[in-house]
Amino acid sequence: IAGITQAPTSQILAAGRRMTLRCTQDMRHNAMYWYRQDLGLGLRLIHYSNTAGTTGKGEVPDGYSVSRANTDDFPLTLASAVPSQTSVYFCASSPDMADTQYFGPGTRLTVL
Amino acid sequence: KNQVEQSPQSLIILEGKNCTLQCNYTVSPFSNLRWYKQDTGRGPVSLTIMTFSENTKSNGRYTATLDADTKQSSLHITASQLSDSASYICVVSLYYGGSQGNLIFGKGTKLSVKP
Repeated sequence: IAGITQAPTSQILAAGRRMTLRCTQDMRHNAMYWYRQDLGLGLRLIHYSNTAGTTGKGEVPDGYSVSRANTDDFPLTLASAVPSQTSVYFCASSPDMADTQYFGPGTRLTVL
Repeated sequence: KNQVEQSPQSLIILEGKNCTLQCNYTVSPFSNLRWYKQDTGRGPVSLTIMTFSENTKSNGRYTATLDADTKQSSLHITASQLSDSASYICVVSLYYGGSQGNLIFGKGTKLSVKP
């Protein structure tokens, strides 16, 4: 059982390019989340999904979009990357919204 | 404004010593409080989760306390080991009455355990 996986591990991207970060979990969790973590700041929620087919905006959603076509996958898309989106991105899942979250290993993204 | 403040920002201790990390919050309505451990380059891992009615919860050498009246929590690490070197993040959950993401994250305390 892999738990929750993210891809790629790291990526360097030119500004203006489109990028999709992948997240997959095999725990059949209903809820999934995307966070960014920047030096000196706490984890900040970008988008979340209560269950397959539904998504919601978190604290910092601008410039990002998500989809939840099925239970296992929750991709995060940057339509046109900007340098301020340089960060470490963590995907997480939990059985339901109020439960303990399980985090993936993270994707380190650098936008030049 | 809902906030979670952690102190100290960083801490260095010798292996074998005990330490206590602090978390103060101004989150309402409160649902639960969680402590996570995050190793460098890894995702956070849950240590404890406490609801309003719980005063203390242990996970091995980690013991978390909660005072819901003063809105304070602490994480006590006993007999520290080198592997305890990590960031410790306090997370407070708003009362879950709807369908929104509702966790407030502290910035973490970076703990370094030296031999």
